[in-house]
Amino acid sequence: AQTVTQSQPEMSVQEAETVTLSCTYDTSESDYYLFWYKQPPSRQMILVIRQEAYKQQNATENRFSVNFQKAAKSFSLKISDSQLGDAAMYFCALMEYGNKLVFGAGTILRVKS
Amino acid sequence: SQTIHQWPATLVQPVGSPLSLECTVEGTSNPNLYWYRQAAGRGLQLLFYSVGIGQISSEVPQNLSASRPQDRQFILSSKKLLLSDSGFYLCAWSGRTSGSSYNEQFFGPGTRLTVL
Repeated sequence: AQTVTQSQPEMSVQEAETVTLSCTYDTSESDYYLFWYKQPPSRQMILVIRQEAYKQQNATENRFSVNFQKAAKSFSLKISDSQLGDAAMYFCALMEYGNKLVFGAGTILRVKS
Repeated sequence: SQTIHQWPATLVQPVGSPLSLECTVEGTSNPNLYWYRQAAGRGLQLLFYSVGIGQISSEVPQNLSASRPQDRQFILSSKKLLLSDSGFYLCAWSGRTSGSSYNEQFFGPGTRLTVL
C-alpha cells in the first residue's frame, strides 16, 4: 500500500528566509503524481504545487519549488522569501492510478516576524 | 469557473442522531467526487469516492455512507452518529477543466462535526 511520511511535525522560519519541508513516500507504481497542499487556520485546502513522476524537471510556482528525487522517493518543498501568510499546515500527498489521494500527517509551519 | 460548496459549515449533534452533509459542484460536468475526514491535528483520510451517479466506492468500513443522486451532488450520511465520527469533513472534486485534469483535486470549505 502507498504511504506518505512527513517527519517534521513542526517547522519555524524567519520572515524573508527560506525553509524546506520534507516528504518521503512509498509506491510500487512508476507513474504517479505528488502534491503539496496548504491548510491555513481557515482549514481550506489549497493546492500549492504538483509534480508528475514522469517529469524529471522539478516543479516551481513563484516562491515555491520542489526537490523531487524519484529513486529515493523523496519530495521536499522549498519556500523562499517566507511571508507571514505562509504560516499554515502543509500536507504532502500521493496520487496513483484511480485518482485517490494519500496524505501525510502534515507539518505545521510557523513564520516569525 | 468551478466552485464547490459544502453545508453546513458547522454541526453539533448528539450521539445516536442521524447525519447528512451535502456537497455540490458548479461549473463542470461528470466530476469525480470525494469525501475525506480530518481528525484534529491529523492528515486527511479518504472515506468515499464516486466516478458517476450512483457509483460509490468505500475506502474505510465505518458508520458512514455516501450517495450521489445527481451528477454534481455528493451526500455523506449516517443513521446513528458515534463519538468517533467527530472531525472535519472535506469534499473534493476532480475533472476536466481548462488547466487541470482528473489528476488534480479541489477541496470545499469543509464541515466541522462535533458529536456529543
